[in-house]
Amino acid sequence: KAGVTQTPRYLIKTRGQQVTLSCSPISGHRSVSWYQQTPGQGLQFLFEYFSETQRNKGNFPGRFSGRQFSNSRSEMNVSTLELGDSALYLCASSLETSVWDTQYFGPGTRLTVL
Amino acid sequence: SQQGEEDPQALSIQEGENATMNCSYKTSINNLQWYRQNSGRGLVHLILIRSNEREKHSGRLRVTLDTSKKSSSLLITASRAADTASYFCATGGGADGLTFGKGTHLIIQP
Repeated sequence: KAGVTQTPRYLIKTRGQQVTLSCSPISGHRSVSWYQQTPGQGLQFLFEYFSETQRNKGNFPGRFSGRQFSNSRSEMNVSTLELGDSALYLCASSLETSVWDTQYFGPGTRLTVL
Repeated sequence: SQQGEEDPQALSIQEGENATMNCSYKTSINNLQWYRQNSGRGLVHLILIRSNEREKHSGRLRVTLDTSKKSSSLLITASRAADTASYFCATGGGADGLTFGKGTHLIIQP
């Protein structure tokens, strides 16, 4: 099976812009989670979607949003970008129904905000 | 917030030696997982140990879990250059998805 794919792999934006990142989970996986990784804060959970519904949400401002489509593909959107949003954004999918189960990560999208 | 804390933050050993990393966490958990990350890329799942298990093996990996001390350890035996990576523990059980520590950066010297 193909692994988790994320597009684009690299992105450069300027402050105030918005960005949309895409994630395609492993075939058959219905749970998709998003994580932000920065040198200072490490890996932080953004949100998790299961069957097109946001099931869990981390402690991030409302500028960070996401959605999941009927084919389990997911997108996350960050509006009004800030310098501190520069990070590696990782998507992970899971076969099981619990957000705590084994996560299969994509290669990430590296976002740079100038 | 970071639930797990890995120790040490960095570890450098010779190829062939064993590497041990520790993880401590704060609240009750459903399971604890270890992941590896190579140079800012995606994470690779290594092993999952449930809260009612004490030890688990997978190839050259051995994980222990002590829920009374809220700690876990990852042992990599007979290390190889390809094991150079960052290793993260992640705890599951709260409402915040998996909670990751800041990782141990392991360097295997040839």
